[in-house]
Amino acid sequence: GENVEQHPSTLSVQEGDSAVIKCTYSDSASNYFPWYKQELGKGPQLIIDIRSNVGEKKDQRIAVTLNKTAKHFSLHITETQPEDSAVYFCAASISGTASKLTFGTGTRLQVTL
Amino acid sequence: NAGVTQTPKFQVLKTGQSMTLQCAQDMNHNSMYWYRQDPGMGLRLIYYSASEGTTDKGEVPNGYNVSRLNKREFSLRLESAAPSQTSVYFCASSEVVGQPQHFGDGTRLSIL
Repeated sequence: GENVEQHPSTLSVQEGDSAVIKCTYSDSASNYFPWYKQELGKGPQLIIDIRSNVGEKKDQRIAVTLNKTAKHFSLHITETQPEDSAVYFCAASISGTASKLTFGTGTRLQVTL
Repeated sequence: NAGVTQTPKFQVLKTGQSMTLQCAQDMNHNSMYWYRQDPGMGLRLIYYSASEGTTDKGEVPNGYNVSRLNKREFSLRLESAAPSQTSVYFCASSEVVGQPQHFGDGTRLSIL
């Protein structure tokens, strides 16, 4: 089955700096890659996703890039703010089939003042 | 607009007790899921229901049963709770399998 590895497990950045979280996947058939943000005591919330027919997608301060050849995808957060502090999860699946999401193990991002 | 609602939010059980976790969604989604979240292990799929009337095992189904009561509701049952089932349980839903999933806020379950 699919295996998703996520790095780093913790990340501390100063407010205003950029943060990058990286994930690799094992199943070359995977074609849907969402990113979730989980705040303390809450469920994961979808923040951005990308499908394999595009290499990059941007939504204000967050962007996701995908390298299908290398089987890795990354989340980029620019101009970080204290409210970006949370745990971020990447995931992968084969869209349009009965394939389920496989999640990475999460990255705890702390934005310091 | 509630989205995905889980009850209860917290529960403490003794080993061997049974418990049903409830989940309801108001987005008219076809697919629903149960995950458990343990420190350092991310989210692992327990069971899912691709559509009303169907259920399938996920990655870690042992010790659990599920019921898709109707399109809105999907319950998770622990028949004989074990300490290894201490975890945070999340329910999610999506229009169909493979589409973006929307999560509830979880049930924190401790088994002594």
